[in-house]
Amino acid sequence: GDSVTQMEGPVTLSEEAFLTINCTYTATGYPSLFWYVQYPGEGLQLLLKATKADDKGSNKGFEATYRKETTSFHLEKGSVQVSDSAVYFCALTSGSARQLTFGSGTQLTVLP
Amino acid sequence: EAGVVQSPRYKIIEKKQPVAFWCNPISGHNTLYWYLQNLGQGPELLIRYENEEAVDDSQLPKDRFSAERLKGVDSTLKIQPAELGDSAVYLCASSLNPAGKETQYFGPGTRLLVL
Repeated sequence: GDSVTQMEGPVTLSEEAFLTINCTYTATGYPSLFWYVQYPGEGLQLLLKATKADDKGSNKGFEATYRKETTSFHLEKGSVQVSDSAVYFCALTSGSARQLTFGSGTQLTVLP
Repeated sequence: EAGVVQSPRYKIIEKKQPVAFWCNPISGHNTLYWYLQNLGQGPELLIRYENEEAVDDSQLPKDRFSAERLKGVDSTLKIQPAELGDSAVYLCASSLNPAGKETQYFGPGTRLLVL
């Protein structure tokens, strides 16, 4: 079945540091890929998505590129802020399965 | 535009008691999802509705869990009787159409603690 593997956390960075959170997937066909973010006390929010190979999703300074050859969708940001502290989830939907399949999440803490 | 609304936000009950969660999706969204999120893990689907029809309930523990979506709008998820292992966050999400490339929008969740 479909699965998503995320870099384990927690990750602690200083403000303005470069962020990478690794995500790889296993799926049949051509999945759509997503990054969701969960701020403390809030629900999951879509951060960005990509629906076909080589697409780049971007939002709020975050980027991720759909790499079919490496089955990856790594999240990057050039300069993190304290306000980026949250849990980040990589997820996918694939052809026959309508639901999102999530990774286990990565806790990010950004220190001033 | 109002987001997905869930209530209650928190619930504490004793084991063997019943509990119910309510969800109102974004207006016009035909597809509604209930997910279970255990601590430190990603959400897992319990049930998916398209309008009022439950089209995927394969991961819903039907011996104690039930759900309904009358009139194809808001939905209720029930547990009876609750067990200690049911302590988790129950998330509701909705999308305009069955998700593939569609974005799912999540509510804030109901955090359940079973004592």
